[in-house]
Amino acid sequence: EDQVTQSPEALRLQEGESSSLNCSYTVSGLRGLFWYRQDPGKGPEFLFTLYSAGEEKEKERLKATLTKKESFLHITAPKPEDSATYLCAVPGYGGSQGNLIFGKGTKLSVKP
Amino acid sequence: DAGVIQSPRHEVTEMGQEVTLRCKPISGHNSLFWYRQTMMRGLELLIYFNNNVPIDDSGMPEDRFSAKMPNASFSTLKIQPSEPRDSAVYFCASSLPGGSQPQHFGDGTRLSIL
Repeated sequence: EDQVTQSPEALRLQEGESSSLNCSYTVSGLRGLFWYRQDPGKGPEFLFTLYSAGEEKEKERLKATLTKKESFLHITAPKPEDSATYLCAVPGYGGSQGNLIFGKGTKLSVKP
Repeated sequence: DAGVIQSPRHEVTEMGQEVTLRCKPISGHNSLFWYRQTMMRGLELLIYFNNNVPIDDSGMPEDRFSAKMPNASFSTLKIQPSEPRDSAVYFCASSLPGGSQPQHFGDGTRLSIL
């Protein structure tokens, strides 16, 4: 069964304290891995797509990396405005192409 | 550019009533998705459309749920009759065609069934 597991469930950081979020997946034939950011009361906001092991994408203080089994979202010198829930997702295999399987997310809190 | 637009943003109604959620996808996007988000189960795909045609409705919980897409710029998700366990946030998303395209989400409808 295709699965996506994110850890930790919650992460509290001090402003400037770098860390990483993990997304582990089990899916046959990876066709991309997506990272989203979700703020309270809002829909998920697309951040990155990674397609192959070794690929990296960066946006401001965020860098996403991908291996054959997991992806990391590295946050360098975070600021309070980076506080949000971060979701990762992969397309399911064998079913319809639109079936994105989401992890439960990591809730990040950055204190000033 | 306008993003995905959902209405209403909040809906509170009594058990047994019909509920209709609405979605306008991003112009030019051929695929439209309906999701439900709860604390317990996270984000779950309910149904998705390609070129206005329903492709996969295996996530629709039961016959009380139905979805339509009469044209490329409008979709509805209907619950009839509604039950308290349907309370959740419902999201609509759209994308260009293909399983590797990112989906872009609206801000959701928070549904409470009393």
